[in-house]
Amino acid sequence: NAGVMQNPRHLVRRRGQEARLRCSPMKGHSHVYWYRQLPEEGLKFMVYLQKENIIDESGMPKERFSAEFPKEGPSILRIQQVVRGDSAAYFCASSRQGEAFFGQGTRLTVV
Amino acid sequence: GEDVEQSLFLSVREGDSSVINCTYTDSSSTYLYWYKQEPGAGLQLLTYIFSNMDMKQDQRLTVLLNKKDKHLSLRIADTQTGDSAIYFCAESRWGDDKIIFGKGTRLHILP
Repeated sequence: NAGVMQNPRHLVRRRGQEARLRCSPMKGHSHVYWYRQLPEEGLKFMVYLQKENIIDESGMPKERFSAEFPKEGPSILRIQQVVRGDSAAYFCASSRQGEAFFGQGTRLTVV
Repeated sequence: GEDVEQSLFLSVREGDSSVINCTYTDSSSTYLYWYKQEPGAGLQLLTYIFSNMDMKQDQRLTVLLNKKDKHLSLRIADTQTGDSAIYFCAESRWGDDKIIFGKGTRLHILP
């Protein structure tokens, strides 16, 4: 049973471009979370999804950020028109019955 | 409200015990977690405890929960250089599933 898979591990984007981050949950897990970690900071909750549903997006910035978890395929976190402040590590986690497992993260650098 | 507090740094001599402390504010917390993050890596679930438990022991790790004071601690016996990492305390509530993290405690091992 592979763990939570995130890709790419590292992503470099120029200001104004779009960033797409992918997350495949563990087999049998139907809940996905996205977190952002700024340098020297803890993890900030962004969004919680089930298949085809956004359950809680209270941590998502109102503009430029969106997330989806389609019936088939990985969960996608999309950041449009990236700015330098979006540079961070983005972690995905999947859970079942309260136990969450994290992926290795995608480190986004905006230049 | 939801808030998890931890001290940011802890230095311990190799072979001594490390005790990392955490306080939380949400009295309806159901699960309390300890995650470990090594440099450049994702988060590894070390252990978790249900809110109706006082203590959980797993090899070198001991988790103590004082629900009255909303205080959680992680004790690492016989601390080794490989224990050097950031340790995150986190909590979630049954039915909410969103996991709230502290800022992490950076454990430094002295020779």
